[in-house]
Amino acid sequence: DGGITQSPKYLFRKEGQNVTLSCEQNLNHDAMYWYRQDPGQGLRLIYYSQIVNDFQKGDIAEGYSVSREKKESFPLTVTSAQKNPTAFYLCASSTRDRNYGYTFGSGTRLTVV
Amino acid sequence: KQEVTQIPAALSVPEGENLVLNCSFTDSAIYNLQWFRQDPGKGLTSLLLIQSSQREQTSGRLNASLDKSSGRSTLYIAASQPGDSATYLCAESTQGGSEKLVFGKGTKLTVNP
Repeated sequence: DGGITQSPKYLFRKEGQNVTLSCEQNLNHDAMYWYRQDPGQGLRLIYYSQIVNDFQKGDIAEGYSVSREKKESFPLTVTSAQKNPTAFYLCASSTRDRNYGYTFGSGTRLTVV
Repeated sequence: KQEVTQIPAALSVPEGENLVLNCSFTDSAIYNLQWFRQDPGKGLTSLLLIQSSQREQTSGRLNASLDKSSGRSTLYIAASQPGDSATYLCAESTQGGSEKLVFGKGTKLTVNP
């Protein structure tokens, strides 16, 4: 079955470390997205990519970086510049063929230790 | 600023009751409106997508409506069951659909046996 795979499910980061969250999809979707979810704040967009080798900043891009070298993959790096990285991170994808309905992965919970 | 509001933030009902969840949005240039379900610690599951040209969509016991003129959408759940307990999120996309979804903060539904 097609879907989105996020790994790892849980991730622990030490102060000053960069960590990379993986997002892979086999849905053949063109667009991919990264959202951050915090209690009481809802989902906020970090970065999105509408096509390979291109991506745009979302509402809270500071301290994060992404790449889109393959259609299937959209990894997110949380850098040491992100001062409050503890959150639940969700990756999603969409396609014009489905009227841009989103499909989400199961999420990665990142905790700073 | 594009905003999506969901009322109430939490709702508790007895099993078997019909219920309505509300969603309001500020950007009238809507491309589509999506409803999702989220179980604790999990990703989002897509429930219904309503395109801007549509008035409603149905899936099983769920019915979602869209009124662009008033900036409102409702999710109707018929004959609620304990398994319906979850957080329900609505989200609006604009600008051609592929750029981003703006999410409400959700309604946490508890269905009591």
